[in-house]
Amino acid sequence: KNEVEQSPQNLTAQEGEFITINCSYSVGISALHWLQQHPGGGIVSLFMLSSGKKKHGRLIATINIQEKHSSLHITASHPRDSAVYICAAMNRDDKIIFGKGTRLHILP
Amino acid sequence: NAGVTQTPKFRILKIGQSMTLQCTQDMNHNYMYWYRQDPGMGLKLIYYSVGAGITDKGEVPNGYNVSRSTTEDFPLRLELAAPSQTSVYFCASSYSGPWGYEQYFGPGTRLTVT
Repeated sequence: KNEVEQSPQNLTAQEGEFITINCSYSVGISALHWLQQHPGGGIVSLFMLSSGKKKHGRLIATINIQEKHSSLHITASHPRDSAVYICAAMNRDDKIIFGKGTRLHILP
Repeated sequence: NAGVTQTPKFRILKIGQSMTLQCTQDMNHNYMYWYRQDPGMGLKLIYYSVGAGITDKGEVPNGYNVSRSTTEDFPLRLELAAPSQTSVYFCASSYSGPWGYEQYFGPGTRLTVT
């Protein structure tokens, strides 16, 4: 069992829908990252958070340390949001553990 | 700034051959990382470096070597390539770390070993 689990694995939605991607982890962490991997393969860091909530444009990331859970939300989704979203947790030994990613496809 | 650059973009190796994957960053970042990404699997850390002259193993270092002679460059060496090393390799850098700061990724190198 991976220490970082993402759900769903795949998600297809219509343009404009509100999207939620979940990340659960089983270890104590000091930070959690959300990454976006474009269809061409490039990876971009979206958020790094250790508590609370962060917002950037239409993207919102939240984390609940007690429940060991983080969510990435996309409001007013657009086809250009189609990508793989990766959650990565840094445990207290400074070891980084990646989820397998959620493949998001937004239909026009 | 060019950010993090990697060369080559693609490479096919025969079993037993060797090669070096190049990685350069122009952001004066102290931390640099090498990851591999296998199909359907999460990224895995191969090696990382906290500064020039200092490197350390990650989760999957076997079959690889690294060096960090300058702040800018962090090459990854594959000796005696094996089919299990077929993967996409990403180099990344961050101002500090490990993973306490935003990471900047290179475009990746797709390697096939046959």
